[in-house]
Amino acid sequence: DQQVKQNSPSLSVQEGRISILNCDYTNSMFDYFLWYKKYPAEGPTFLISISSIKDKNEDGRFTVFLNKSAKHLSLHIVPSQPGDSAVYFCAACYGGSQGNLIFGKGTKLSVKP
Amino acid sequence: DTEVTQTPKHLVMGMTNKKSLKCEQHMGHRAMYWYKQKAKKPPELMFVYSYEKLSINESVPSRFSPECPNSSLLNLHLHALQPEDSALYLCASSQDVSPRKLFFGSGTQLSVL
Repeated sequence: DQQVKQNSPSLSVQEGRISILNCDYTNSMFDYFLWYKKYPAEGPTFLISISSIKDKNEDGRFTVFLNKSAKHLSLHIVPSQPGDSAVYFCAACYGGSQGNLIFGKGTKLSVKP
Repeated sequence: DTEVTQTPKHLVMGMTNKKSLKCEQHMGHRAMYWYKQKAKKPPELMFVYSYEKLSINESVPSRFSPECPNSSLLNLHLHALQPEDSALYLCASSQDVSPRKLFFGSGTQLSVL
């Protein structure tokens, strides 16, 4: 049973518009959430993270929102750029998990010029 | 230097072969990880090394044997693999075992014939 779910395998957005990538989780012990970006033939690259004590974290064009009651988080990219086209993985962990990040299946974002 | 370097990038091996995957980082990180990623699936944790000691083995078959010769190097020795072991093997490192930010290598794409 998947503990971290990304239900949209793909998303297509026009350049300059907002991209919203969604992630749901089932394990209430998770207390830290991360987003990774992956280009083909490269390893995942850390993008942004959020602790469960917060509901929002912002870094430039990227903002992550956390709704603990709904066990839902989202990544907003605004404005979207063609270089943002990649696969985005949501990941989660908890204090005692010792390096065990649980990843979602990923969402492939395509930003069209 | 914020890189995790993995060699080789591609590997094809027969079921009777013995081969090794190598990973190197020079960021002074004290935790290193092996993840396995099958096509269209999320990365899954295999092993965690903390301060050069194996701290997690996620029930990985003994045909995979990890080794951490020093704080900068991580190897994965492969012997008598099965075709279903074909996957992308990702190495990662972090400052400590709290996985707040993992740095991933580009991976080794392994095919077992």
